Amino acid sequence: KNEVEQSPQNLTAQEGEFITINCSYSVGISALHWLQQHPGGGIVSLFMLSSGKKKHGRLIATINIQEKHSSLHITASHPRDSAVYICAVRSGGAQKLVFGQGTRLTINP
Amino acid sequence: GAVVSQHPSRVICKSGTSVKIECRSLDFQATTMFWYRQFPKQSLMLMATSNEGSKATYEQGVEKDKFLINHASLTLSTLTVTSAHPEDSSFYICSATRPGSPLHFGNGTRLTVT
Repeated sequence: KNEVEQSPQNLTAQEGEFITINCSYSVGISALHWLQQHPGGGIVSLFMLSSGKKKHGRLIATINIQEKHSSLHITASHPRDSAVYICAVRSGGAQKLVFGQGTRLTINP
Repeated sequence: GAVVSQHPSRVICKSGTSVKIECRSLDFQATTMFWYRQFPKQSLMLMATSNEGSKATYEQGVEKDKFLINHASLTLSTLTVTSAHPEDSSFYICSATRPGSPLHFGNGTRLTVT
C-alpha cells in the first residue's frame, strides 16, 4: 500500500460541476502539497497545508490531520482545469516529498 | 511569484553521449533542489535531493555515476545524464525550495535518446 493514496485516479465531469479529489496518507506529516500538472508537463504548486483550509479563487483545499486526509475542491469547473492533480506529503523533518499517483481530471465543455 | 527555469525543454541525443539539464531559481535562493523522473502516465519519482554546496543525496536505485548532480550555487543545479541509453529517455523535472516556502517546479525536460 502506498503511503499516499489518491482517489479517484480518473475523473471526467461537465463544465460547471463541483469537483472533489481526495488524498489519504499513512505517515505523520509536516506539510501536504497539492500540485497541478498540465499536459505539457509543467507543474504548479496550488497549496501547501499543515492544518485547516485554504482557498484560492475557485480552488479550496482542506486537511484533517487526525484522519490523515485532505481534499481538493474545484468550484464551477472549467475545461482549463483539465490536468493531473497530485497530492504530496512531507514527512516529519524530511526534505523530500512522497507523491500520490495523481488524479487525471477532464472537464468537458 | 517565484520562478524556476529549466533548460532545455526538449533534447534528442544519440546513445552514448551525455546531456546536461539546468535548473535555475530566478528570483529566490534555493537551498534545496530536487530532481525527479516521470514515466508516461505515472507520478513523479524522486531521483535525488541536492543541497547547495554539498553532495547530492540519491534515492535507492538511482546510479549516482550515471546521473551527476551539481548544486554549485543557490540559484543553479545541474543534472548530467552520462553515456545516455534509450532507456534513459524520460521526462526530467526539477523543483527548488527554501525553508518554509512552497515548492517551485521547472517546466521539465523531455529527453529522447536514439
